[in-house]
Amino acid sequence: DGGITQSPKYLFRKEGQNVTLSCEQNLNHDAMYWYRQDPGQGLRLIYYSQIVNDFQKGDIAEGYSVSREKKESFPLTVTSAQKNPTAFYLCASSMGTGTGDEKLFFGSGTQLSVL
Amino acid sequence: RKEVEQDPGPFNVPEGATVAFNCTYSNSASQSFFWYRQDCRKEPKLLMSVYSSGNEDGRFTAQLNRASQYISLLIRDSKLSDSATYLCVVNGVYNQGGKLIFGQGTELSVKP
Repeated sequence: DGGITQSPKYLFRKEGQNVTLSCEQNLNHDAMYWYRQDPGQGLRLIYYSQIVNDFQKGDIAEGYSVSREKKESFPLTVTSAQKNPTAFYLCASSMGTGTGDEKLFFGSGTQLSVL
Repeated sequence: RKEVEQDPGPFNVPEGATVAFNCTYSNSASQSFFWYRQDCRKEPKLLMSVYSSGNEDGRFTAQLNRASQYISLLIRDSKLSDSATYLCVVNGVYNQGGKLIFGQGTELSVKP
């Protein structure tokens, strides 16, 4: 079945540590996105990528980095510069802008907590 | 003003009730509108797209009012399984890749 796979489901970060969240999709979607969700709040966009080897900052990119070396993969690194990383992280993909179909499909999420 | 703003919740309704959620958006150039459903600590799932002429899917009806810049979701004959958070999603600044903007969500709790 086609879909988006995020891993791990739960992740713990120590002070000063970088951690990487994995996101893989086999939907042949061009666009991929990372969102952060805090309790009782909506999703906020961290980074997005519309094509391989290109990505754009979202609204809250500080303290995060991404890469898009393959169409299927869009890993997110939470760096030590992100002082408040505890949140639910969601990866999503879509066929892309300009296609007339911007519906997002989400992975099951990663809950990141600080030790 | 937030780019996308939803009715504050939670909404507590009995089974069988009809409930309506509203969502306003600030960018008059927005072209795409969606309602997503999110269960606790799960990923959002697309409930329905919202079309200019309004659209219906079973017990769910979505409407768009471009003049007043709001969309609505009507749920008829509420079921216990409808309990969730409903997210309004709007296409943002188009020339910045058409990123989708999420509202903060409206929580619905359907009671027996």
